[in-house]
Amino acid sequence: AQKVTQAQTEISVVEKEDVTLDCVYETRDTTYYLFWYKQPPSGELVFLIRRNSFDEQNEISGRYSWNFQKSTSSFNFTITASQVVDSAVYFCALSDTGRRALTFGSGTRLQVQP
Amino acid sequence: SQTIHQWPATLVQPVGSPLSLECTVEGTSNPNLYWYRQAAGRGLQLLFYSVGIGQISSEVPQNLSASRPQDRQFILSSKKLLLSDSGFYLCAWNTPHPNTEAFFGQGTRLTVV
Repeated sequence: AQKVTQAQTEISVVEKEDVTLDCVYETRDTTYYLFWYKQPPSGELVFLIRRNSFDEQNEISGRYSWNFQKSTSSFNFTITASQVVDSAVYFCALSDTGRRALTFGSGTRLQVQP
Repeated sequence: SQTIHQWPATLVQPVGSPLSLECTVEGTSNPNLYWYRQAAGRGLQLLFYSVGIGQISSEVPQNLSASRPQDRQFILSSKKLLLSDSGFYLCAWNTPHPNTEAFFGQGTRLTVV
């Protein structure tokens, strides 16, 4: 069975601070896919990034960066110079090549104070 | 471009009443379709998924059912709602290709009273 753990329930930072959201996953599949989604107060899930199990290259997109480490089964997300608009719940998720459905972590609520 | 529509956005229903939530996808064909539920303050749980018309897989035993009468239409139903059915329901789709992400509808906030 697949499992995603986001140990940080809630994080509060002050604007311009850097923040890292942790994600640890478990799967027996050799091919799998990892995702991060953002859920703002309105509720919809906004896709941020996808990584497949063969691509351990870290990625940077503006203030966002992701660190995928297969050796530790982690896929961490860092926001540099956080802004109030980054306040949201962030979900890490895992899917296989079969159902393609997502197994979500419990989410991390990020509050960025001005 | 592809879009996903989900309605209604908000629903308040009495215990024992029926439920029908609808989701449609535009701009793609033969999508995989999913229903997830998010209980208050918690993560998302997969309820149903479908890889084609009339093909429904249920992930958890519950008071709900799903149907896919058309390629891009996915319906979540209940004959008699329970208080425990309250939550935020999200429809999602992705392509059959494995290395693609899922896209979500705007969700339906259901309160059973």
